[in-house]
Amino acid sequence: AQRVTQPEKLLSVFKGAPVELKCNYSYSGSPELFWYVQYSRQRLQLLLRHISRESIKGFTADLNKGETSFHLKKPFAQEEDSAMYYCALITTSGSRLTFGEGTQLTVNP
Amino acid sequence: NAGVTQTPKFQVLKTGQSMTLQCAQDMNHEYMSWYRQDPGMGLRLIHYSVGAGITDQGEVPNGYNVSRSTTEDFPLRLLSAAPSQTSVYFCASVRAGGTYEQYFGPGTRLTVT
Repeated sequence: AQRVTQPEKLLSVFKGAPVELKCNYSYSGSPELFWYVQYSRQRLQLLLRHISRESIKGFTADLNKGETSFHLKKPFAQEEDSAMYYCALITTSGSRLTFGEGTQLTVNP
Repeated sequence: NAGVTQTPKFQVLKTGQSMTLQCAQDMNHEYMSWYRQDPGMGLRLIHYSVGAGITDQGEVPNGYNVSRSTTEDFPLRLLSAAPSQTSVYFCASVRAGGTYEQYFGPGTRLTVT
C-alpha cells in the first residue's frame, strides 16, 4: 500500500530564513509525487510536481529514491508563503492520490 | 471555465439526517474524487470515479455513497449523518493521460450535531 508521511504538523520560520518541509513516502512502484498548497480560505492548488523539475515561487523539491523522500525547500521564506502544504503520491493509473498529513507553515515578519 | 464547483459551501445537519453534496466540473475530466480534510490527518480519499458509470471506494468510504451518471457530475451522499462526519469535503477532477494535476473545488464545510 502507498503511504505519505509529513513528520512536521507545524513549522514556523522567520522571513528570509531557509525553509524545508519534509515528506517521506512508501510505494512499491515508480513514484510520481506532488506538492499541493492551500492558502487561507482558498482551495488546494498544485505547487509543483517532481517530474517537471521546476521551481515555483522559489520552491524546489528533489525526489530521493534512496531515502524515499521528496522534501520541499525554499532558500528565503516570505510571509506570503504561510499556508498548509501537502505532499502527495499518485498511482500509476493516475486515478488515486494519497496525501500526507500536511504541514502548516508560518513565516513570521 | 468555472473549473470544479461545489455546493453548498456550508451545511449543518443533525445526526441521522441525509444530504447530498454536489460537485460538477466543466473541463471534461475523466477522473473525479471526493476527499475529506480533517486536522492532523490530511486529506483522505472517500470515493473516486474513472469515468461515467464507474466508481470505487477510497480509504474512508463508510457512510457515503456516490454515483457518476455523467462526466460532469459526481455527487456525494451522506446516508445517515454522524458527528464523525463533521469535516471539510473537497471534490477534485483529473484529466486522464495528462500530467495528473488534480483540480480542486472550493470545499464544503459540514457540521453534524
